[in-house]
Amino acid sequence: EPEVTQTPSHQVTQMGQEVILRCVPISNHLYFYWYRQILGQKVEFLVSFYNNEISEKSEIFDDQFSVERPDGSNFTLKIRSTKLEDSAMYFCASSRDSSVSTDTQYFGPGTRLTVL
Amino acid sequence: GENVEQHPSTLSVQEGDSAVIKCTYSDSASNYFPWYKQELGKGPQLIIDIRSNVGEKKDQRIAVTLNKTAKHFSLHITETQPEDSAVYFCAASIFPSGNQFYFGTGTSLTVIP
Repeated sequence: EPEVTQTPSHQVTQMGQEVILRCVPISNHLYFYWYRQILGQKVEFLVSFYNNEISEKSEIFDDQFSVERPDGSNFTLKIRSTKLEDSAMYFCASSRDSSVSTDTQYFGPGTRLTVL
Repeated sequence: GENVEQHPSTLSVQEGDSAVIKCTYSDSASNYFPWYKQELGKGPQLIIDIRSNVGEKKDQRIAVTLNKTAKHFSLHITETQPEDSAVYFCAASIFPSGNQFYFGTGTSLTVIP
């Protein structure tokens, strides 16, 4: 069964450094998402991406965040200057075109980001 | 925006008993309600979902009910097994795709053998 993959599984960085989290969505999916989950808290939406542009973003997704689909398979989240409060589990998700009945978002295993 | 509340936060049941997790939502426009199971160290995995034009959906030991009037939906797991132990999240969204999921706070389910 196809699945969303994410690398790395754990990223440790110093405050102020840039990090790039990588995701490979399911191959026939057209919508891509990033969520984060701070330890012990609910999963929070960051951004959705469709047709090479951001379709929706939350207030969390400020100017230090950016997303990109650099090629036909990868979807990345960049945090330009990490802060302590960016420490969280980051989940990538993907879903198929809205024209089909199934709208499920499939989640990857997550990248745990630790900012020191 | 949408606000999803989930109860209880922790739930312990004896193996073979049933477990029920309840969620409420605030935005009457929400029309898609998935349930995810998250095991330790893994991402959320979809276990069942329901759309607003359906009142109940069942898949083997798992069922979900939706009350649009009251804006709440529930997950029912019957004949629980130790491998059902995990954190369960409800979510609400507005179809079609491209829209964010609003998650509940999660329920940690422990099934005692």
